Amino acid sequence: KQEVTQIPAALSVPEGENLVLNCSFTDSAIYNLQWFRQDPGKGLTSLLLIQSSQREQTSGRLNASLDKSSGRSTLYIAASQPGDSATYLCAVRHAYGGSQGNLIFGKGTKLSVKP
Amino acid sequence: DAGVTQSPTHLIKTRGQQVTLRCSPKSGHDTVSWYQQALGQGPQFIFQYYEEEERQRGNFPDRFSGHQFPNYSSELNVNALLLGDSALYLCASSWGQGGKAFFGQGTRLTVV
Repeated sequence: KQEVTQIPAALSVPEGENLVLNCSFTDSAIYNLQWFRQDPGKGLTSLLLIQSSQREQTSGRLNASLDKSSGRSTLYIAASQPGDSATYLCAVRHAYGGSQGNLIFGKGTKLSVKP
Repeated sequence: DAGVTQSPTHLIKTRGQQVTLRCSPKSGHDTVSWYQQALGQGPQFIFQYYEEEERQRGNFPDRFSGHQFPNYSSELNVNALLLGDSALYLCASSWGQGGKAFFGQGTRLTVV
């Protein structure tokens, strides 16, 4: 059974710092991995999607990497800003059979960027 | 281009009642999935609809049912509501079952 773990559960940093959020998964047979952002009480905003054949994806100040063999992904945020404060969720899709359709989520990392 | 839209945004129901939540997918998407998110937890997969059929189902009881219409919109129905059904219900759409998922803003259901 696939399990996704995100460490740390919460993180507080001063504005301007570069930071790394971690995601690990137990089954390396994934189809893709997505990082999401969630503001309190709101829906999820898709940040980056990495296909299983890719090693990394970049969008602006965000960079996500994937090491499928070790079951790890990281989300790097450069020059953090107070507006980056949110919960960041990692989710994987299985690569085989009927399980391809659903996303399996971690519990998220709650990020607070202080001015 | 409208993204994924869900209605209503908030809902309060009494234990034992039934509820229907609605979702319109992002333009061009043909697959809709539903998730339940309890406070402080990651979303949990309920089921997925593609070509108007339920294709996959998570570990949820039969009280949870759904439907997909020819225009790809979807409904989630929950019967015999329990206090534990209180949560944020999220709809996600994608092109194909494994495509990049886009989520709506969610429906906050409170059961009293």
